[in-house]
Amino acid sequence: NAGVTQTPKFQVLKTGQSMTLQCAQDMNHNSMYWYRQDPGMGLRLIYYSASEGTTDKGEVPNGYNVSRLNKREFSLRLESAAPSQTSVYFCASSELPSTGFSYEQYFGPGTRLTVT
Amino acid sequence: TQLLEQSPQFLSIQEGENLTVYCNSSSVFSSLQWYRQEPGEGPVLLVTVVTGGEVKKLKRLTFQFGDARKDSSLHITAAQTGDTGLYLCAGVALQGAQKLVFGQGTRLTINP
Repeated sequence: NAGVTQTPKFQVLKTGQSMTLQCAQDMNHNSMYWYRQDPGMGLRLIYYSASEGTTDKGEVPNGYNVSRLNKREFSLRLESAAPSQTSVYFCASSELPSTGFSYEQYFGPGTRLTVT
Repeated sequence: TQLLEQSPQFLSIQEGENLTVYCNSSSVFSSLQWYRQEPGEGPVLLVTVVTGGEVKKLKRLTFQFGDARKDSSLHITAAQTGDTGLYLCAGVALQGAQKLVFGQGTRLTINP
């Protein structure tokens, strides 16, 4: 039982290059999330998928796209990387929450991305 | 946009001392979670508080949810070096529980 896995762990891109961050969970969770973490700014939600087949924008979606490939996998794509996208990216999953209560989110180990 | 402000942002104390970390907002949240994050890893949930005024204890850690459900605190008694880490509070909006709003975090260092 690996929980939430992310690949790659580290990546360096040049401005304008594209890449896809992969995330998979083996806990049979319905909801999945992508966050970015920058110093002094906590975690900011990029996109989320409340259930298979749905995706919604979070707080900072510009410059990103996502795909909920199936119940297990949720990928994040940077079409044309910019230095402002240098960050640590975390994927998380949780049970589908009922109204007014949110279940625990389980996080992956993160991808450290540098855009030069 | 609902915001959560944590204070202090950085705290460095000696082993054995007590400390309190605060998480404040002008918005009401249906519940609030506290996570701890160690270097190179993702955050891990410590506790969820749901009811206004609720107090939960986890060994030497005491979590409180404000009566109005706009704020929360984390108190650590007799801090140990193993408590070192980044502490994040995260709130669930009143409407739409699918996502969390995170505070900016408190980086805690416990010195031996």
